[in-house]
Amino acid sequence: EAGVTQFPSHSVIEKGQTVTLRCDPISGHDNLYWYRRVMGKEIKFLLHFVKESKQDESGMPNNRFLAERTGGTYSTLKVQPAELEDSGVYFCASSQGQHVGQPQHFGDGTRLSIL
Amino acid sequence: QKEVEQNSGPLSVPEGAIASLNCTYSDRGSQSFFWYRQYSGKSPELIMSIYSNGDKEDGRFTAQLNKASQYVSLLIRDSQPSDSATYLCAVKLNFGNEKLTFGTGTRLTIIP
Repeated sequence: EAGVTQFPSHSVIEKGQTVTLRCDPISGHDNLYWYRRVMGKEIKFLLHFVKESKQDESGMPNNRFLAERTGGTYSTLKVQPAELEDSGVYFCASSQGQHVGQPQHFGDGTRLSIL
Repeated sequence: QKEVEQNSGPLSVPEGAIASLNCTYSDRGSQSFFWYRQYSGKSPELIMSIYSNGDKEDGRFTAQLNKASQYVSLLIRDSQPSDSATYLCAVKLNFGNEKLTFGTGTRLTIIP
């Protein structure tokens, strides 16, 4: 069974440009999460999809970030326009049901550098 | 006060000894607790989950939870060099709130 895959693994762009990150969850997982780790800080929650619906987007930093999950399969996270403080590692995770303690499985992340 | 606190380390332990990793959390409503292991540049990998007070053992790993003290720990017995990694403590509130809140992680080095 393939794990959570993220693309690209690295992205370097200039301030003001647009970047789109992609996440393919484990097949059959309805829940998809985005997290972010900025340098020296803990991994922080961004948002949670159940199928194609946004269940919780309380962690999205501002309206420069747009997450989509059309069709309830893969998800994209677009940053437009990118700012210096958006640099960090963006992780995607997926899980099956919503039972208490259902484990989330993480991808390797996308390392985003804004110059 | 951070929601989930861990000693960032580095923690150095001789091979074959017991490594003890600690985590405290601030929200008394927290219900589920997870330990993830992360090698540099790789994904966080779930190694233990615990929901009830007491100990839970899985191979060389034991997770301990004390909800009264808001404390969760991970013990690694017979430490191996391959255990060298960053260990992340993560907490989930309850059903319906699925987000994980992470600590900053403890970097563990096993010395051969």
